[in-house]
Amino acid sequence: QKEVEQNSGPLSVPEGAIASLNCTYSDRGSQSFFWYRQYSGKSPELIMSIYSNGDKEDGRFTAQLNKASQYVSLLIRDSQPSDSATYLCAVARGTGNQFYFGTGTSLTVIP
Amino acid sequence: SAVISQKPSRDICQRGTSLTIQCQVDSQVTMMFWYRQQPGQSLTLIATANQGSEATYESGFVIDKFPISRPNLTFSTLTVSNMSPEDSSIYLCSATGDGTDTQYFGPGTRLTVL
Repeated sequence: QKEVEQNSGPLSVPEGAIASLNCTYSDRGSQSFFWYRQYSGKSPELIMSIYSNGDKEDGRFTAQLNKASQYVSLLIRDSQPSDSATYLCAVARGTGNQFYFGTGTSLTVIP
Repeated sequence: SAVISQKPSRDICQRGTSLTIQCQVDSQVTMMFWYRQQPGQSLTLIATANQGSEATYESGFVIDKFPISRPNLTFSTLTVSNMSPEDSSIYLCSATGDGTDTQYFGPGTRLTVL
C-alpha cells in the first residue's frame, strides 16, 4: 500500500469552476499535511500546509483535513488557467521527519 | 521561507562520469534533503543531508552512488557517480528551518546522461 495516494487525473475544469483535489494517506501517525503546485519543468512550490482537522482557507484555496478518514483535500475556487499544473500532496509524521509525496494530480483549467 | 539555489541548472553528461550538484540556502536551515524526480513521476527521496555527519539514505540509494556532503547549515552537495542513462532525471534539493516542518525546494538540476 502506498503511503500517499492521489488520483493522477487528468482533471479538467472550466474557468471559474471549483477544482477538487483529493489525497489519502496510510500512516495514522501523520501530523503534517501539505499541498504543493508544480508547473511543468519547474520545482514544487508550497500552496498550503494544514495540521488540524477541519478547513483552512487562503485566498482561493481551501485545504480540508479529516484525520479519522485519513483524507486531505484541496479546493480551488474560481479556477484560472494559471492554476493548470500538477498538484502534489505530501504527508509527514512531524518536524524533521520524511515527507511522503503522492504521485500528483494533473489539473487543466479550460478558458 | 528559505530561498534555495542549485548549480548547475542542467547538464548533459557521458556515461561513466560523475556530476556534483550544489545546493545553497540563503539562511541557516535545520534539515536539507535531496530528491529525484523522473519524467512524469513524483518525488523520490534520495537522502537527508545531515550537517557534520553522514547522510541518511533511503532504501534503494547508496552512498557510493550518491555521495552527499553538508559542511555547514546553508550548503550541501550531491554527487551522482558512475552515471548511466537511467540516472537521467531532475534532482531537487529542499530545506526546512523556518520553525516549521515545511520543505522549500530549489529550482532543480536537469541531468541527461548519454
